[in-house]
Amino acid sequence: EIVMTQSPATLSVSPGERATLSCRASQSMSSNLAWYQRKPGQAPRLLIYGASFRATGVPARFSGSGSGTEFTLTISSLQSEDFAVYYCQQYKNWPLTFGQGTKLEIK
Amino acid sequence: EVQLVESGGDLGQPGGSLRLSCAASGFAFSTYAFHWVRQAPGKGLEYVSAISSNGGDTYYANSVQGRFTISRDNSKNTLYLQMGSLRAEDMAVYYCARVVSSTSDYFDLWGRGTLVTVSS
Repeated sequence: EIVMTQSPATLSVSPGERATLSCRASQSMSSNLAWYQRKPGQAPRLLIYGASFRATGVPARFSGSGSGTEFTLTISSLQSEDFAVYYCQQYKNWPLTFGQGTKLEIK
Repeated sequence: EVQLVESGGDLGQPGGSLRLSCAASGFAFSTYAFHWVRQAPGKGLEYVSAISSNGGDTYYANSVQGRFTISRDNSKNTLYLQMGSLRAEDMAVYYCARVVSSTSDYFDLWGRGTLVTVSS
């Protein structure tokens, strides 16, 4: 099983600033990585797939990078609606596995 | 509107059963594979089970193998999860999620989840 480790667990950032979230895999997984955003009471939302491709309707301030075992989600200029919990997910191998999440909170 | 709506979450007793449903609307349900994913209190997301578009192939996490059964009714645009032999560790919010394609197991549509509580 591929173990996904996200860091930090909580990230405090001011609106308008940049946020960088990390996701590390226990083994190489090429670019088979997705990022999701989840807000309380809402369905999770796909942001990034293939490590760097934005899903339909996702603002350009969201970008993904990385390959192999190290991946990053960057939000270039935080808006109020971006404060949420973010999860990475690998789909290289079964079972599919997720990171524990990074909570992005307002500083 | 394209959406998934879960239901059936409830208080279940240890050793008991529950059936979750996921109603789909706004898209061609029968052409997609689906997963159930759960999140226990204070924990991360965990894959539970998956089913192919025609229901012919099913998959389970080791933690639920032999206790849970995934199924679907394409005539009703509905996905199911029959949960049996419930354990305390099954307590979680259960999400249904649509798989993008047969070659890429990530999810482009999720429901809001339904809460399963296990307690005597």
